[in-house]
Order: sequence, then C-alpha cells, then structure tokens
Amino acid sequence: SQQGEEDPQALSIQEGENATMNCSYKTSINNLQWYRQNSGRGLVHLILIRSNEREKHSGRLRVTLDTSKKSSSLLITASRAADTASYFCATDSIQGGSEKLVFGKGTKLTVNP
Amino acid sequence: DAGVTQSPTHLIKTRGQQVTLRCSPKSGHDTVSWYQQALGQGPQFIFQYYEEEERQRGNFPDRFSGHQFPNYSSELNVNALLLGDSALYLCASSSLTDWDSYLEDRGNQPQHFGDGTRLSIL
Repeated sequence: SQQGEEDPQALSIQEGENATMNCSYKTSINNLQWYRQNSGRGLVHLILIRSNEREKHSGRLRVTLDTSKKSSSLLITASRAADTASYFCATDSIQGGSEKLVFGKGTKLTVNP
Repeated sequence: DAGVTQSPTHLIKTRGQQVTLRCSPKSGHDTVSWYQQALGQGPQFIFQYYEEEERQRGNFPDRFSGHQFPNYSSELNVNALLLGDSALYLCASSSLTDWDSYLEDRGNQPQHFGDGTRLSIL
C-alpha cells in the first residue's frame, strides 16, 4: 500500500517559475526522501530530511518537514525544462528500518520552455 | 564505475508463465531491494536481500521470490504470472557504509536505482 499522497498529481509551469510539491504520509518516520524519475527510467535520489529536521536545502531544492502534520514539501526554484519529470516522496518507518522505502504516487512536473 | 544494471530491459510473457529478472548492484554495494511500479503509481517494496538472505519483505504473495548470490547480484522470480503483474520492476542497491557517509554529509546518495525491467503480461 502507498504510504503517502503527493499533491498535486500533475503540475505544469513555465521555465523560471518555482514548483512546489507536497507530500503527506501516515505513520511515524525515520527519514523522508524525495526522488526524481524521468519517464520510464529509474529513480534518482534528490534529498533526505530526517524526522528531527524542519528544513533542508540542496542547490535549487528546498525541502520542509512537518512531523505534527505528517507532511513535507519540495520546492524547486528557477525551474528548467530539464526538471520535467515525476517526483516522489518516500518514507521509512521507525519499525521497518531505514532502507524499506514507502513511496507516494508522485507528482508529474512539466516545465515548459 | 557502473551503476545498478538490470536485465532484460523489456520482457513480454503470458498469463501463467514464470519470469526471472536480474540485477547487478553498484560496485561496493551489498544490499539489494526490489520494487514494483505499476503505471502511474509509485514504486512498492517487494523485498530486500542482504548476505544472501531475505531481510525484509513487503506485502507481496509467495509467487514473488528472490535470491542473492555471493557476488551480491540478485534475481527476482515471479511464478504463475497474472495480468496485474505488468509493471516496471526496479532494483536498488545500497550499503551501510554509503548510508553512514551520506547521513554524515560525507558521501553521495545512499541508494541507487537501476532503470528497471518493463514486464508486460498478455
């Protein structure tokens, strides 16, 4: 079963705009990760935020985590056409250990040139 | 340095048949996880292998089985195929050393995914 839900399911923006994707999850977690997947390809790890962290930055990516609301957001600033992909959040539960990931259904991002 | 490689890239089978998918982990990785990704969905965890044993298992029936070899490569076997088994099957590799390095901000991403095997059941 899916752990969480990404919102929105699809997002279309113009190059240079910011893209924000949200993720909600159900159980307590160790970490929350964001992955990117180009069409029909494997997943690429983007960023990990631990349950005791509230915000993390990596290049043009900014991730927030609110454990009280069981939600996270991924912000991509100054988007580029090459950012077009599906984005997934993934959590690992305290009970399950740190390597069994539970993914959401993803947000499909389209960045128009 | 090769990343995670999976074979074959595409496969077509019919209902009731059996299939074996293969995965070679990234060099230096000793843990292999398998995921099933149906069209339009997120990946779902099938199981994980470490030291040639199944360490964790997701909510998949016994028709799904696996194996890990001494060189850390892994196979995923699915018996009695159903139409609903049509999906992209992803393999991911990791190592405790890489995880520790990543969590201490000393290393690269902790888990690497292959490009998957697209399995179609007719």
